[in-house]
Amino acid sequence: DSGVTQTPKHLITATGQRVTLRCSPRSGDLSVYWYQQSLDQGLQFLIQYYNGEERAKGNILERFSAQQFPDLHSELNLSSLELGDSALYFCASSSRWDTGELFFGEGSRLTVL
Amino acid sequence: EDQVTQSPEALRLQEGESSSLNCSYTVSGLRGLFWYRQDPGKGPEFLFTLYSAGEEKEKERLKATLTKKESFLHITAPKPEDSATYLCAVQAEDSNSGYALNFGKGTSLLVTP
Repeated sequence: DSGVTQTPKHLITATGQRVTLRCSPRSGDLSVYWYQQSLDQGLQFLIQYYNGEERAKGNILERFSAQQFPDLHSELNLSSLELGDSALYFCASSSRWDTGELFFGEGSRLTVL
Repeated sequence: EDQVTQSPEALRLQEGESSSLNCSYTVSGLRGLFWYRQDPGKGPEFLFTLYSAGEEKEKERLKATLTKKESFLHITAPKPEDSATYLCAVQAEDSNSGYALNFGKGTSLLVTP
């Protein structure tokens, strides 16, 4: 158990809809990352927050947004969903903003029909 | 642009049959190279960090090595419980885009009794 909690574990929705994925980092970790994993693309970095502030941005679509709250949990919002957004979405956390030693949650599997 | 290529894509070994997984990378300046293990339906789990050419790290039956262009994950006398996908990731020195990890697509390892 990594200590990172993600909800929901599975989500099925329709094209055009909006969903919110939630992540609670390990106790004491200030940095939260969001990654998308699909069969053809592998793990793709979306965005990083550190202590409530956006720290780094990857190839995150404009339809996607995220935030980190004062209690350090984070939410990833996906809107105007398309079939191609179906993937596993992972949250990871770390104590430092510049480390590569991340602790991943078990992911949220999103299926867009 | 940073690139991480892992080979082979899939590897099947008999229990006790040693082998190596390869991770080739191109990066403007390497800050760190990371190995993760991912079991089906789970998030990646951190294994090793390597910082400079010539460095080696060991953990049980796994040994990771690093050169200026590639890293190897050597598996000695593997057991069925070593079956997993092994992911390699690089972290670049350039902090303008943050220090987010760039992952390869992984090698899926199956060890049969």
